[in-house]
Amino acid sequence: QSVLTQPPSVSGAPGQRVTISCTGSSSNIGAGYDVHWYQQLPGTAPKLLIYGNSNRPSGVPDRFSGSKSGTSASLAITGLQAEDEADYYCQSLNVFGTGTKVTVL
Amino acid sequence: QITLKESGPTLVKPTQTLTLTCTFSGFSLSTSGVGVGWIRQPPGKALEWLALIYWDDDKRYSPSLKSRLTITKDTSKNQVVLTMTNMDPVDTATYYCAHLTPLTYYDILTGFYHKIEGSNFDYWGQGTLVTVSS
Repeated sequence: QSVLTQPPSVSGAPGQRVTISCTGSSSNIGAGYDVHWYQQLPGTAPKLLIYGNSNRPSGVPDRFSGSKSGTSASLAITGLQAEDEADYYCQSLNVFGTGTKVTVL
Repeated sequence: QITLKESGPTLVKPTQTLTLTCTFSGFSLSTSGVGVGWIRQPPGKALEWLALIYWDDDKRYSPSLKSRLTITKDTSKNQVVLTMTNMDPVDTATYYCAHLTPLTYYDILTGFYHKIEGSNFDYWGQGTLVTVSS
């Protein structure tokens, strides 16, 4: 089955910039399907963070940004804050990414 | 305001069939473009896309689980039901239902709305933990 590959973990100090990659294939991202990103805080349901590759829903801080190129996509968090410590998942078509845990040092 | 809530058994035995119901409010599954999906997450693991049903009763399934899954809707009750057959302990997970952001284009020649695949889930239920054990 198709899978979107993410790094298991990334970390950064408060105020720093971190990026999370999402690598897909010609069946999903490379086929032109949009990439979406979700944030999941411990014990809660996922929350939509970025949709349509680079769009933020209302209420999502502009510290979060997304991009897509070829068969990959990236989520960037600038000005990292303690409250950003969570799991992050990308999604394209009918598959989710492997998930990335963001740790704020 | 869109809300969704999952309901069903918390414990099922191996080989049994699981039936989960998603009851929602704030939107109608008879409106063009609308969809409801099911996603699961085993304890400590990643999200897994399971199934999706659209307003026009079109359905999508995870290729690896397609033979075991059935998704249906009851528009009058604002419910979507997911059944999964032949449950196994590896199916122990939190099961979520979620609202799909409508993504369509309008065909002026036919007067119909057509879905665009690959939209996102913008509203999620709280999830329900299902344990598979004898």
